[in-house]
Amino acid sequence: DAMVIQNPRYQVTQFGKPVTLSCSQTLNHNVMYWYQQKSSQAPKLLFHYYDKDFNNEADTPDNFQSRRPNTSFCFLDIRSPGLGDAAMYLCATSRDRLSGTSTDTQYFGPGTRLTVL
Amino acid sequence: GDSVTQMEGPVTLSEEAFLTINCTYTATGYPSLFWYVQYPGEGLQLLLKATKADDKGSNKGFEATYRKETTSFHLEKGSVQVSDSAVYFCALKSYGGSQGNLIFGKGTKLSVKP
Repeated sequence: DAMVIQNPRYQVTQFGKPVTLSCSQTLNHNVMYWYQQKSSQAPKLLFHYYDKDFNNEADTPDNFQSRRPNTSFCFLDIRSPGLGDAAMYLCATSRDRLSGTSTDTQYFGPGTRLTVL
Repeated sequence: GDSVTQMEGPVTLSEEAFLTINCTYTATGYPSLFWYVQYPGEGLQLLLKATKADDKGSNKGFEATYRKETTSFHLEKGSVQVSDSAVYFCALKSYGGSQGNLIFGKGTKLSVKP
């Protein structure tokens, strides 16, 4: 089945120690997103790639970076995790057409729960 | 800017009860509207969607109708089951602007008791 895969499902890191979360998709979608979801809150968009074009949300801290080496993979790098970065990180994909119509759905992976010690 | 407001939870129901979770939105233009469901410890799953006024999305017994006149997209189910216990998010996606901008409500936690 076509899907969005996130690895690992659970990640523990130490305060200040860089960590990378990964996302892959078999949907061949051109847009990939990273969201941060803290407990009992809605997901918050960090950034997204539209094809190779990176789009950062204005309030995403510089501590968060992303890479998309090819269509299928996207990585979230947290350079110096703080205690406040402990959260569920969700990857999503969609197929958006150049015309910018809003009908395309975002498909989410199962998430990676990050713990910062 | 665009926004989504959904009813505060938690909502606790007995099995086979009728469910309504209210959702209203503010948007310029004509957004697409979505309901996502999140089971404990899981990512978000698309439950249903509607892309234009008067469209009705439906899935697994859940329904929601895109009401432009009241800017609403309320989620309903006639008879809930214990397995429906989850957090439900209403969301919209607008034309133009940021291609990635799916705007979520705060979520409503549903607990269904046997």
